[in-house]
Amino acid sequence: GESVGLHLPTLSVQEGDNSIINCAYSNSASDYFIWYKQESGKGPQFIIDIRSNMDKRQGQRVTVLLNKTVKHLSLQIAATQPGDSAVYFCAEVDSGTYKYIFGTGTRLKVLA
Amino acid sequence: EPEVTQTPSHQVTQMGQEVILRCVPISNHLYFYWYRQILGQKVEFLVSFYNNEISEKSEIFDDQFSVERPDGSNFTLKIRSTKLEDSAMYFCASKQGARGNQPQHFGDGTRLSIL
Repeated sequence: GESVGLHLPTLSVQEGDNSIINCAYSNSASDYFIWYKQESGKGPQFIIDIRSNMDKRQGQRVTVLLNKTVKHLSLQIAATQPGDSAVYFCAEVDSGTYKYIFGTGTRLKVLA
Repeated sequence: EPEVTQTPSHQVTQMGQEVILRCVPISNHLYFYWYRQILGQKVEFLVSFYNNEISEKSEIFDDQFSVERPDGSNFTLKIRSTKLEDSAMYFCASKQGARGNQPQHFGDGTRLSIL
């Protein structure tokens, strides 16, 4: 069946360190993936996306890696800052239906 | 940067009453969505809307739910007879075009509390 899951529900990192948040997906028909950041009391905020014809995409301080062989997605945040504290979740998009399937999320806590 | 706006931010309603949640999608977007997020759980798809009709709906979106685009800017979700289990955050999202590889952009949600 379709599922998107996260390995680590909570991740604590020191300010300035790099963070890696992981996501597993199971729908082979998914060909587009998105990372969202959700701060307390706010809606999901788009961070970065990647298409299935790529295995890496970089943004400002963020990098998404896609491993289609093992159906794994990761979000790397460089030099993590207090403002990065939030819940991060991935979404996979089915290539046929364009339907979004969201994971539960990982809470990132940045320690000063 | 253009954004999706939702009102109200918090709605408290007695069980059995009707509620209307409002959204103003990004102006040049054509595809609209409603999602629900129960506290501590993942975001769940409710319905998608394009060209003034529902494109797809989930099992959650039963007969008590309806959506409407009453004018050129607003997109509403109506819950006819609310139940306690309808308490959740409701997010509206919009997307520019038909391509699957475009991100949906979300509003900050309406917290619906059913008493």
